[in-house]
Amino acid sequence: EDQVTQSPEALRLQEGESSSLNCSYTVSGLRGLFWYRQDPGKGPEFLFTLYSAGEEKEKERLKATLTKKESFLHITAPKPEDSATYLCAVQAGTGNQFYFGTGTSLTVIP
Amino acid sequence: NAGVTQTPKFQVLKTGQSMTLQCAQDMNHNSMYWYRQDPGMGLRLIYYSASEGTTDKGEVPNGYNVSRLNKREFSLRLESAAPSQTSVYFCASSGQGLETQYFGPGTRLLVL
Repeated sequence: EDQVTQSPEALRLQEGESSSLNCSYTVSGLRGLFWYRQDPGKGPEFLFTLYSAGEEKEKERLKATLTKKESFLHITAPKPEDSATYLCAVQAGTGNQFYFGTGTSLTVIP
Repeated sequence: NAGVTQTPKFQVLKTGQSMTLQCAQDMNHNSMYWYRQDPGMGLRLIYYSASEGTTDKGEVPNGYNVSRLNKREFSLRLESAAPSQTSVYFCASSGQGLETQYFGPGTRLLVL
């Protein structure tokens, strides 16, 4: 069965304290891995797509990386406005479905 | 360009009542999706439509029906609402192949 697992469930950081979020997956035929940010009361907002092992994408303080088994979302010198829930999803096989993890809730304390 | 829009934003139903959640996208996307999001459960796929005229069940389809009215619109119907259907419902759309999904703002549903 295809599975996507995110860790940790929750993370509290001091402003400026860098860290990483993990997304591990067990799927057959990975086609793409997606990272989203979700603010309270809103829909998920797209951040990155990664297609193959070794690929990296960056946006401001965020950097996403992909291996054959997992992806990391690295947050460098976070600010309070980075506080949100970060979701990971994969698309695999020949179908159009996306499989989501349960997310990591990030709180950045000033 | 509004992206993905959903109506209503919030709804309260009594057990047994029916309602339809509406979703529309203006990005000319082929695929559309309905998810529910519950605390600790993440996003779970209810139904999706890979293209106009087709619909398929997702992970949690029981108690729901969908209609892909045209390329822009994808509606979700609860025929007889139950308290277990209290949730936040998100509609999403995506283009062909490996394009990402774009989400609507959500509909918060409370079934009493």
